[in-house]
Amino acid sequence: DTEVTQTPKHLVMGMTNKKSLKCEQHMGHRAMYWYKQKAKKPPELMFVYSYEKLSINESVPSRFSPECPNSSLLNLHLHALQPEDSALYLCASSYGAVHSGANVLTFGAGSRLTVL
Amino acid sequence: LAKTTQPISMDSYEGQEVNITCSHNNIATNDYITWYQQFPSQGPRFIIQGYKTKVTNEVASLFIPADRKSSTLSLPRVSLSDTAVYYCLAGAIKAAGNKLTFGGGTRVLVKP
Repeated sequence: DTEVTQTPKHLVMGMTNKKSLKCEQHMGHRAMYWYKQKAKKPPELMFVYSYEKLSINESVPSRFSPECPNSSLLNLHLHALQPEDSALYLCASSYGAVHSGANVLTFGAGSRLTVL
Repeated sequence: LAKTTQPISMDSYEGQEVNITCSHNNIATNDYITWYQQFPSQGPRFIIQGYKTKVTNEVASLFIPADRKSSTLSLPRVSLSDTAVYYCLAGAIKAAGNKLTFGGGTRVLVKP
């Protein structure tokens, strides 16, 4: 299995809803990442988990809450989002250590989030 | 993570070779250069990685001069399906304050 699987592919939510994005990989990768990508912009790093511990949090608002239940799963819990949070949310994983200069990321197809 | 600079866009025609140059003037000694391809509404996909000189795989070549301050991704004989955004990364993800870990990317349009 050489894939990163993200669910759901599309999500529409209101500003008062609570929802979650899920990510799964079975490649034995030790680091997992959440990125946010707006239209015609590069992916922007949100969170990094290394060995199931939060390694990097790029000053993301608390309405986004990551969780890494085990080495294969990564969740992003969403609450009280704003319309400007609408974007493509990408999950990625890597075998190498997070700070390795030779790190290669494997990305999922993304979850398209629309906040009304 | 070394800051990278790439052209915003490039046009080409089917069958031509496309070369995209990325500048990374402050690349660190242990940093590799990695290129990704992204189609609309999909995640980036790894293309190639190198440290110095030349690396070639089944889809691309990567040329890195001795000073490693730049690199060139070469796509031989492009087809319409190579229309995508190409991102160059130099090095590892660093800790807080490094919000933009991808550079701006180069939007390549292949015309018939």
